[in-house]
Amino acid sequence: DAKTTQPPSMDCAEGRAANLPCNHSTISGNEYVYWYRQIHSQGPQYIIHGLKNNETNEMASLIITEDRKSSTLILPHATLRDTAVYYCIVSTRDNYGQNFVFGPGTRLSVLP
Amino acid sequence: ETGVTQSPTHLIKTRGQQVTLRCSSQSGHNTVSWYQQALGQGPQFIFQYYREEENGRGNFPPRFSGLQFPNYSSELNVNALELDDSALYLCASSLGGGITDTQYFGPGTRLTVL
Repeated sequence: DAKTTQPPSMDCAEGRAANLPCNHSTISGNEYVYWYRQIHSQGPQYIIHGLKNNETNEMASLIITEDRKSSTLILPHATLRDTAVYYCIVSTRDNYGQNFVFGPGTRLSVLP
Repeated sequence: ETGVTQSPTHLIKTRGQQVTLRCSSQSGHNTVSWYQQALGQGPQFIFQYYREEENGRGNFPPRFSGLQFPNYSSELNVNALELDDSALYLCASSLGGGITDTQYFGPGTRLTVL
């Protein structure tokens, strides 16, 4: 089972910041938080990841709370092309030997 | 630098047939993971290959099998196809098989079983 919970859907106005929350209350000390997005039936696209510090790259910012139990992905100026399903993943080695367990994600709709 | 590629893009098979899907990993990557994604769901882990050895396997029956070659490309084979095998099959490559190794996904192969 996924170690994360996300809202099933969100809307955001074009040009505004999109803030996507993720809860991972059972995260362990050496487990990273990863974000991917998937645009209609394409392969998931890597966005960003972090351990405990806030991270920023050309696509997004990742804010992780001090207790690491939750995080927020921020798309600073959302465009229509950011409409996608966003997956928050805790990288962990489970009993099956898999590292990334995908949940259902958040469907972000950017509205004109 | 070439990204992850998969072939074919689309495939239609009938129940009971066998299928082979192919994945070329990103340059420098020695690990390939395969996922099955049914419509409307997140990807489900099938297995992972690290340096030509299976390094983890999800809850899939033995008729799902794989290979990784010395150049780290990989194949996913599915025997005795069932209707429920219709899905998007994704492969992802990474520098290693650890939890801190970012996985980069290919575009996927859409398999339809009739």
